[in-house]
Amino acid sequence: SQKIEQNSEALNIQEGKTATLTCNYTNYSPAYLQWYRQDPGRGPVFLLLIRENEKEKRKERLKVTFDTTLKQSLFHITASQPADSATYLCALDRDNQGGKLIFGQGTELSVKP
Amino acid sequence: GAVVSQHPSRVICKSGTSVKIECRSLDFQATTMFWYRQFPKQSLMLMATSNEGSKATYEQGVEKDKFLINHASLTLSTLTVTSAHPEDSSFYICSAAGTAEGSSYEQYFGPGTRLTVT
Repeated sequence: SQKIEQNSEALNIQEGKTATLTCNYTNYSPAYLQWYRQDPGRGPVFLLLIRENEKEKRKERLKVTFDTTLKQSLFHITASQPADSATYLCALDRDNQGGKLIFGQGTELSVKP
Repeated sequence: GAVVSQHPSRVICKSGTSVKIECRSLDFQATTMFWYRQFPKQSLMLMATSNEGSKATYEQGVEKDKFLINHASLTLSTLTVTSAHPEDSSFYICSAAGTAEGSSYEQYFGPGTRLTVT
């Protein structure tokens, strides 16, 4: 069956360190993968999109990698700050067109000062 | 990024009544909008795809007669939960597809609507 999985355990790190979140998928062949941030009681906010032919994408302190052989994406936040504390979701377009997103369950990140 | 609004942000209703949730794209035209549902500590689950001027397409297991979707204009989609029951209590979130880049779409999500059915 098709699955998209993130580490369900909360990730607690110290301010200034790098946070690394994992997203694994099975039985999908995604043309692209997205990462979103969700704060409690709010809708997701788009962060980054990486295509299958891209190994790595960066945006300010964020970096995403995409390994289609391992069927895995890693999401890094460098020089983390308490304001980065949130739940981070990865998502695939189920049909690779039209935007019907399938989300992982999310990883809750807590950055301590 | 583009802005999507939802109204109301919270609603409490009695079992058996109907509730309408509005989703608006404020600064762009969205031919396609999506409706998701999120239960506590769970991820977003796609309910349906709303297409302007045509019928919505529903995901497997979602009752189309219970969750009525109307996409009457390029900036407004509505979700009506009919004859709501306590198990319909959830966080409902809409999204709008923005600019297409090849086969990929960036989506803009609304802030969500918390529905509580008593």
